[in-house]
Amino acid sequence: GAGVSQSPRYKVAKRGQDVALRCDPISGHVSLFWYQQALGQGPEFLTYFQNEAQLDKSGLPSDRFFAERPEGSVSTLKIQRTQQEDSAVYLCASSLAGAQPQHFGDGTRLSIL
Amino acid sequence: QKEVEQNSGPLSVPEGAIASLNCTYSDRGSQSFFWYRQYSGKSPELIMFIYSNGDKEDGRFTAQLNKASQYVSLLIRDSQPSDSATYLCAVKAYGGSQGNLIFGKGTKLSVKP
Repeated sequence: GAGVSQSPRYKVAKRGQDVALRCDPISGHVSLFWYQQALGQGPEFLTYFQNEAQLDKSGLPSDRFFAERPEGSVSTLKIQRTQQEDSAVYLCASSLAGAQPQHFGDGTRLSIL
Repeated sequence: QKEVEQNSGPLSVPEGAIASLNCTYSDRGSQSFFWYRQYSGKSPELIMFIYSNGDKEDGRFTAQLNKASQYVSLLIRDSQPSDSATYLCAVKAYGGSQGNLIFGKGTKLSVKP
């Protein structure tokens, strides 16, 4: 497909479990972003990659959150020892370069029980 | 703390009217401004971006930017029921992370037939 692809679309996990969320950006897009969107709020920045380099991880809420993009294309956001407050929609976006408009995937809705 | 403020609404307009959505931002160094539309349960969809003071038109949509007043707006002409969605204003700051966006909480628009 031509757009940003995220999987899974929905994830339910028990508190304390680890989860991994995948993002496949638009082909050729150098920049990749992860955002967290709580219900009724705008997306909040988590982390940013340019190719395989993680240039900014200032938005990651705790050291339980980890993101990687080892080959400069697909990215994985991992959350360890999940907590109820991690329940949110996790959005991935990509752009041709950092300053260009970002295009979002459909997101992963994470529910922690 | 860089902030983007939007009236949460809901903003209700009759079909065929002009809908006016407003956004203010706190960081005077901001350079790029974006409007996203988000249908319930869906991901944000880019509809307009603007970098320079003045107006930018694309079909029924006009984005207006006034950097001196730190104000950006979106006008939707001939509003249709299908325009009913939450509209997110996003700002990319100059000098910060090369790419991350700061979002407002969104304005919910309802277009009544």
